[in-house]
Amino acid sequence: DGGITQSPKYLFRKEGQNVTLSCEQNLNHDAMYWYRQDPGQGLRLIYYSQIVNDFQKGDIAEGYSVSREKKESFPLTVTSAQKNPTAFYLCASNTAQGPYGYTFGSGTRLTVV
Amino acid sequence: QQQVKQSPQSLIVQKGGISIINCAYENTAFDYFPWYQQFPGKGPALLIAIRPDVSEKKEGRFTISFNKSAKQFSLHIMDSQPGDSATYFCAAGDAGNMLTFGGGTRLMVKP
Repeated sequence: DGGITQSPKYLFRKEGQNVTLSCEQNLNHDAMYWYRQDPGQGLRLIYYSQIVNDFQKGDIAEGYSVSREKKESFPLTVTSAQKNPTAFYLCASNTAQGPYGYTFGSGTRLTVV
Repeated sequence: QQQVKQSPQSLIVQKGGISIINCAYENTAFDYFPWYQQFPGKGPALLIAIRPDVSEKKEGRFTISFNKSAKQFSLHIMDSQPGDSATYFCAAGDAGNMLTFGGGTRLMVKP
């Protein structure tokens, strides 16, 4: 079955550490997105990529970095510069032909310990 | 600038009642309006969507009502069930491939 796989489901980070969240899709989608969701809050866009080797900052990109070396993969690194990284992180993907195929992964819950 | 405003933030409904969630948008270029359902610890999943050429779309107990002149659309959940308890997001999209999401509504259906 086609879909988006996020791993790990739970991740713990020590102060000062960088951690990388994985997002892989087999939907042959061109566009991929990372969102942050805080408890009881909406979805805030961190980064997005419309094509391989290109990505754009979203509304809250500070303290995060991404890469898009393969169409299927869009990993997110939460750097030590992100002062409040505890949140639920969601990856999504979509086709290039309009907003109709938006699909989300099952998320990664990151906790700072 | 929040382009899609969603209300209420939270909603409590008795089992069998009607749940109503409202959204308003500003960008007249939007032409696709989906609703997503999210259970705790899971990613949002597409529930139902509408294009502006119709005023209403129904799928089972879920109905979207769309008012183009008022730039508003709403989700109605008929005969609400405890299993409908989730967070609901409205969204809007245009010719591009990115959606703009509302702030979400946490629905609790009491038995």
